[in-house]
Amino acid sequence: GNSVTQMEGPVTLSEEAFLTINCTYTATGYPSLFWYVQYPGEGLQLLLKATKADDKGSNKGFEATYRKETTSFHLEKGSVQVSDSAVYFCALTAGGTSYGKLTFGQGTILTVHP
Amino acid sequence: GAVVSQHPSRVICKSGTSVKIECRSLDFQATTMFWYRQFPKQSLMLMATSNEGSKATYEQGVEKDKFLINHASLTLSTLTVTSAHPEDSSFYICSALDRGDEKLFFGSGTQLSVL
Repeated sequence: GNSVTQMEGPVTLSEEAFLTINCTYTATGYPSLFWYVQYPGEGLQLLLKATKADDKGSNKGFEATYRKETTSFHLEKGSVQVSDSAVYFCALTAGGTSYGKLTFGQGTILTVHP
Repeated sequence: GAVVSQHPSRVICKSGTSVKIECRSLDFQATTMFWYRQFPKQSLMLMATSNEGSKATYEQGVEKDKFLINHASLTLSTLTVTSAHPEDSSFYICSALDRGDEKLFFGSGTQLSVL
């Protein structure tokens, strides 16, 4: 079956530090990959996605590249802000009729201090 | 952009009662919706896939008689937790699939507390 493994947290950084959250996956076929963010007290929001190998998703300064050879989709940001404090989930979905059924990683709590 | 509305956002109920959670797609038709459960500090686990006009498909280990799903229209799916017990206390979140754009949208979730 499909699975997603995320870097364990929590991660604590100072403002303007560089962020990397590792994510690796196992899946049959060619899944689409996502990063979702959950701010305190809120639901999930799509941060970025990539649908095929070598695609780079980007949004709000965050980036992740779909690496099929290493089955990875690591999330990076060059300079984090206090407002980036949240829980980050890596996820995948298979294509075809299974599209939309997400398999999530365990989530990584990020805290950014001023 | 498209929005998914989930209601209520928080509910407290007594053990043995039933609770209904609604998930609505506000500006697109969602033939498929998904229900997830999230335990504190853990990931989201898919419970079931809700298909408009047909029976829901439940994931292994999810009790279909306890978690009743109804998807009677193209914009509404409901999850009813029947005879709730304290161990059902959790954060429940739905998502809706806009197949036209292949986009997924999440509701804001429902925190269920069973006393």
